[in-house]
Amino acid sequence: TQLLEQSPQFLSIQEGENLTVYCNSSSVFSSLQWYRQEPGEGPVLLVTVVTGGEVKKLKRLTFQFGDARKDSSLHITAAQTGDTGLYLCAGALEGGTSYGKLTFGQGTILTVHP
Amino acid sequence: KAGVTQTPRYLIKTRGQQVTLSCSPISGHRSVSWYQQTPGQGLQFLFEYFSETQRNKGNFPGRFSGRQFSNSRSEMNVSTLELGDSALYLCASSVQTLGYGYTFGSGTRLTVV
Repeated sequence: TQLLEQSPQFLSIQEGENLTVYCNSSSVFSSLQWYRQEPGEGPVLLVTVVTGGEVKKLKRLTFQFGDARKDSSLHITAAQTGDTGLYLCAGALEGGTSYGKLTFGQGTILTVHP
Repeated sequence: KAGVTQTPRYLIKTRGQQVTLSCSPISGHRSVSWYQQTPGQGLQFLFEYFSETQRNKGNFPGRFSGRQFSNSRSEMNVSTLELGDSALYLCASSVQTLGYGYTFGSGTRLTVV
């Protein structure tokens, strides 16, 4: 069972469309991060959210952390072909020993067609 | 500011051999974590080091080990390689320790034949 359920797994859309990626868990996270990864490269951090209910905006990307800190979403407005890539959510579990350990979702492969 | 550097970028090994991968963190970062990424399992946590001490370990067999040096550089070793060890191995460094500010390297692509 995946601790962080990310959906959808695949997303194929046309340029200019909006999309939302979801990350859900039954566990509470002290922080949650979103990464974007290009083929053959490491994940690049987009944002970190730490407070329940927090909303962060990065140009056309909007990130939200659930009130209970168990879920998060990434919304992209007016997608561009340059947004194509693998999007990963990752969280640090609250409590216990979580040194350096991020729990990752399975990822969403986004393809934006011109 | 230099990023996280992983060497080598690509590696091909034969079943049964051992391999050592290297990670140089961002200057000033004392926490280094290692992850294995495969198409089937995604990114899975291997272990984390801070000030030369392993503070956390994931659910991997004992064939996977690591260490950190006094300059924060880290190595991971995989002994008796199996075909299933083929993966992208990523390291990430951070100033802080719990869920903040991780910067990943580009990874080492290990292929076991």
